[in-house]
Amino acid sequence: AQSVTQLGSHVSVSEGALVLLRCNYSSSVPPYLFWYVQYPNQGLQLLLKYTTGATLVKGINGFEAEFKKSETSFHLTKPSAHMSDAAEYFCAVTPFSGGYNKLIFGAGTRLAVHP
Amino acid sequence: NAGVMQNPRHLVRRRGQEARLRCSPMKGHSHVYWYRQLPEEGLKFMVYLQKENIIDESGMPKERFSAEFPKEGPSILRIQQVVRGDSAAYFCASSPAGGPDTQYFGPGTRLTVL
Repeated sequence: AQSVTQLGSHVSVSEGALVLLRCNYSSSVPPYLFWYVQYPNQGLQLLLKYTTGATLVKGINGFEAEFKKSETSFHLTKPSAHMSDAAEYFCAVTPFSGGYNKLIFGAGTRLAVHP
Repeated sequence: NAGVMQNPRHLVRRRGQEARLRCSPMKGHSHVYWYRQLPEEGLKFMVYLQKENIIDESGMPKERFSAEFPKEGPSILRIQQVVRGDSAAYFCASSPAGGPDTQYFGPGTRLTVL
């Protein structure tokens, strides 16, 4: 079975500081991994995804994540936080079995950015 | 993801009533997923449909919940005899194919059961 653990339900950073949101996964098969962002009262927007190939994945809005198989991690980072980054972030995994893409989400991390 | 339409955006029902949630996928997408987000929780998979077929409904409660995706028209998630525990945000997502293609999410329907 697959699962996702996001460490820290709330993270607070100063504007301009490094953003690090942690995600660990459990998967019995090679996983596909995703980070989504959700702004208040909106749907989810894909930030980035890892399927195969290069383990450092760059996404939108300056975010990137590194797939580390040995650590079963897929942490999300951004060098310098902006006020507009304040949102909830979800890490997700899919086993991609059966030819479709059933996403299994973590509980989410709410990012606050203060001046 | 703005292309996935969901309506209504907000729905209020009294206990025992029926709720119908609609999802129009992006143009050219024939795969639809429904997820439920309870307050302060992540999204939980409910059901995956292709046109006229339910492929995986392993996340659907066994009773009162049903979903369809007809040949013509939107996908419908139907909740009969709603209870307060059904209050949640329901999101649909669509993709052009069933592989690891990106799922595009709609804005969600927020159901409140009084």
